[in-house]
Amino acid sequence: EPEVTQTPSHQVTQMGQEVILRCVPISNHLYFYWYRQILGQKVEFLVSFYNNEISEKSEIFDDQFSVERPDGSNFTLKIRSTKLEDSAMYFCASSTGSLSYEQYFGPGTRLTVT
Amino acid sequence: AQSVTQPDIHITVSEGASLELRCNYSYGATPYLFWYVQSPGQGLQLLLKYFSGDTLVQGIKGFEAEFKRSQSSFNLRKPSVHWSDAAEYFCAVASGGSYIPTFGRGTSLIVHP
Repeated sequence: EPEVTQTPSHQVTQMGQEVILRCVPISNHLYFYWYRQILGQKVEFLVSFYNNEISEKSEIFDDQFSVERPDGSNFTLKIRSTKLEDSAMYFCASSTGSLSYEQYFGPGTRLTVT
Repeated sequence: AQSVTQPDIHITVSEGASLELRCNYSYGATPYLFWYVQSPGQGLQLLLKYFSGDTLVQGIKGFEAEFKRSQSSFNLRKPSVHWSDAAEYFCAVASGGSYIPTFGRGTSLIVHP
């Protein structure tokens, strides 16, 4: 069964450093998403991406964040200058369409900023 | 703005017992409602969803949920819990204006043998 994969599973970085979180969505999916979950808190939407552009983003997704689909398979989330409060689990998801279609989630990348 | 409340942080049940996980939402119009499950080290998996029609929704793994508009609730149920059901369960709501779900805080299910 096709699945969304994410690398790395755990990333430790120092405050101020740039990190890139990588995701490989399911191959025939067209919509891509990033969510994050700070420990003990809710899963929060960051951004959705369709047709090579951001279709929706939350207020969390500020200028420090960017997304890219550099090739036909990868979908990346970049944090330019990490802060302690960026420590969280980051989930990638993909879907074939919008609301009526199920979003398939990856296992997540745990980002720890020290 | 839409919001979701899962009042129970942890639920402990014995294997074979019935289960009900509570979810209340806040949204003015008819919501789109979801239940996701997250097993350790895994991503979120959709258990079931409600968009319209029959208010009792059947999902995977023997789960069902009932949409009650009068109570703004979408509680998840299972008649007999298995040890493999131990996981984190998330309720989510989306609106017609945005297909992006808003998640609840989650309920951790512990299953005793």
